[in-house]
Amino acid sequence: AQTVTQSQPEMSVQEAETVTLSCTYDTSESDYYLFWYKQPPSRQMILVIRQEAYKQQNATENRFSVNFQKAAKSFSLKISDSQLGDAAMYFCAYLRGADGLTFGKGTHLIIQP
Amino acid sequence: KAGVTQTPRYLIKTRGQQVTLSCSPISGHRSVSWYQQTPGQGLQFLFEYFSETQRNKGNFPGRFSGRQFSNSRSEMNVSTLELGDSALYLCASSPEGLAGLNTGELFFGEGSRLTVL
Repeated sequence: AQTVTQSQPEMSVQEAETVTLSCTYDTSESDYYLFWYKQPPSRQMILVIRQEAYKQQNATENRFSVNFQKAAKSFSLKISDSQLGDAAMYFCAYLRGADGLTFGKGTHLIIQP
Repeated sequence: KAGVTQTPRYLIKTRGQQVTLSCSPISGHRSVSWYQQTPGQGLQFLFEYFSETQRNKGNFPGRFSGRQFSNSRSEMNVSTLELGDSALYLCASSPEGLAGLNTGELFFGEGSRLTVL
């Protein structure tokens, strides 16, 4: 079974600084998808960024980018110019086919003003 | 376009009872998937329904079941509730389901928070 590990239960960063959230996963598959989802307090979970495993180029969405290392099975999220609205739980997730999303335990991101 | 709607938002039940949660997906979305979120286990996949058929099921006991109606609305049912079933239950919809997530994304509801006493 696939597993997703987020080793940082909580991270804190100063507003406007850059922070990197770690994620590693375990799979024997070569074709899959990876996601970072954001869950603000008492609000819906929303997709932050998506990466297809067959693409070597790292995905980027505005201030959010990933460092995808397929051989190392690592998928970290970098948030540049952190803003107060970035404060949330961040979940790394793995998907292959219709097997359902496998989520990590999450990282609680705190933004210090 | 209305988002994913889950009802009820909060409910309290006692052990041994059963509960039914409802999820209305975004209009046009044919897939609804369900997740259980607890502090200890995190987010776990329960099952996915696509066009009224269960496509896949996570590693949960048979007490957890679901169904999907012709209008894509979905319900999940938990029978013989246990204390450990206390959780936030999230549903998510997508146009083509988890198998099609390479082209789309999941849209989550705000969840139904179940407390079992």
